[in-house]
Amino acid sequence: GQNIDQPTEMTATEGAIVQINCTYQTSGFNGLFWYQQHAGEAPTFLSYNVLDGLEEKGRFSSFLSRSKGYSYLLLKELQMKDSASYLCAVRDSNYQLIWGAGTKLIIKP
Amino acid sequence: SQTIHQWPATLVQPVGSPLSLECTVEGTSNPNLYWYRQAAGRGLQLLFYSVGIGQISSEVPQNLSASRPQDRQFILSSKKLLLSDSGFYLCATEWSGDTGELFFGEGSRLTVL
Repeated sequence: GQNIDQPTEMTATEGAIVQINCTYQTSGFNGLFWYQQHAGEAPTFLSYNVLDGLEEKGRFSSFLSRSKGYSYLLLKELQMKDSASYLCAVRDSNYQLIWGAGTKLIIKP
Repeated sequence: SQTIHQWPATLVQPVGSPLSLECTVEGTSNPNLYWYRQAAGRGLQLLFYSVGIGQISSEVPQNLSASRPQDRQFILSSKKLLLSDSGFYLCATEWSGDTGELFFGEGSRLTVL
């Protein structure tokens, strides 16, 4: 079966750096997405990786290793507004999105 | 630019009552449209997707149904709600850019009592 694993919850301190990992086992691979979801709201797109390596977008970066079935989302200079759930999703060979359950990130002052 | 709207935002329904959630997309034609459900603390579950008017694919057997009466309108329905239908329902469409990521409507929180 297809599976995406990410930690259920993480805690970090304002101003610090946090890395959220995602490992996947899917039928084929056509890209990996990270979304941010604040409580009670819809997910919003953060980043997309289809080739190995690091994609940087401001305070957020996302890394992909296809051979290891692994990605991480790196958040720098954490702000209180970064408290949210972060969802990892992989597009498989049928172009269907497989979703992880999300990582709830708690930022403490 | 593309926009997507869904309503109602919140509803509380008794078991056995009907349901209708509506989603509309603007700024694009012939979009792929999706209905997802998100239970508390769980990932997104794809319920239905549609590639065109009257074309609906169901991903999971359930008492829900979907219809696409117009190109940019997608409706999620039920004739008789179950307790297990409670959740956060999200309509989504694909961004027309290179990556094709999904972007979502505001969501509809359904509580079945």
